Amino acid sequence: EVQLVESGGGLVQPGGSLRLSCAASGFTFSIYSMNWVRQGPGKKLEWVSYISSTSSPILYADSVKGRFTISRDNAKNSLYLQMNNLRAEDTAVYYCARDLGIPWGGYLDNWGQGALVTVSS
Amino acid sequence: QSALTQPASVSGSPGQSITISCTGTSSDVGNYNLVSWYQQHPGKAPKFMIYDGSKRPSGVSNRFSGSKSGNTASLTISGLQAEDEADYYCCSYAGSSTWVFGGGTKLTVL
Repeated sequence: EVQLVESGGGLVQPGGSLRLSCAASGFTFSIYSMNWVRQGPGKKLEWVSYISSTSSPILYADSVKGRFTISRDNAKNSLYLQMNNLRAEDTAVYYCARDLGIPWGGYLDNWGQGALVTVSS
Repeated sequence: QSALTQPASVSGSPGQSITISCTGTSSDVGNYNLVSWYQQHPGKAPKFMIYDGSKRPSGVSNRFSGSKSGNTASLTISGLQAEDEADYYCCSYAGSSTWVFGGGTKLTVL
């Protein structure tokens, strides 16, 4: 059974940093591209970042480009999202999601349970 | 990119069919056949329901179907059941290596 478990969420002040982790199990992590998607207080989903199985290419939404860094460790079956210079509008539940693998489809066939990030003073 | 436009809510009675629309532009929905749909129950993660506009992943009921015409994609649920009550989101490739979601539609089963 595919399992994705996020961790590292919490309360952080504006301008602060946070690192999310996603532990994967139940599938061969190293051959799948992965994504981060967030869902803000208004419940809208927003694609945040993509990383291929080999860590190239890496893609970001304009809203986080230059502030967030996605990475992965295939030996540890783990996905990460380093979030710097956080803003109030980054407040959301962050999901890691496995990519189905159809080029440019962005099809997310398995999701974690989410990690809540709250940016507030 | 702007979010795709979905109705805020739709409703139907058990056994009926409903359709949720997802309107984009010629830069996203209209230009690519790369539309997906997700179902989300309260407090749960989204579930993958439709891809390539009309294909169902393994395990998804054939009561769920997708289509596209021009800049609008649609999700149809036939034989509505109580368990279908959830939020539904569309998503499309938007070019320039980005993806855009719809604002979500709350389905109420009366």
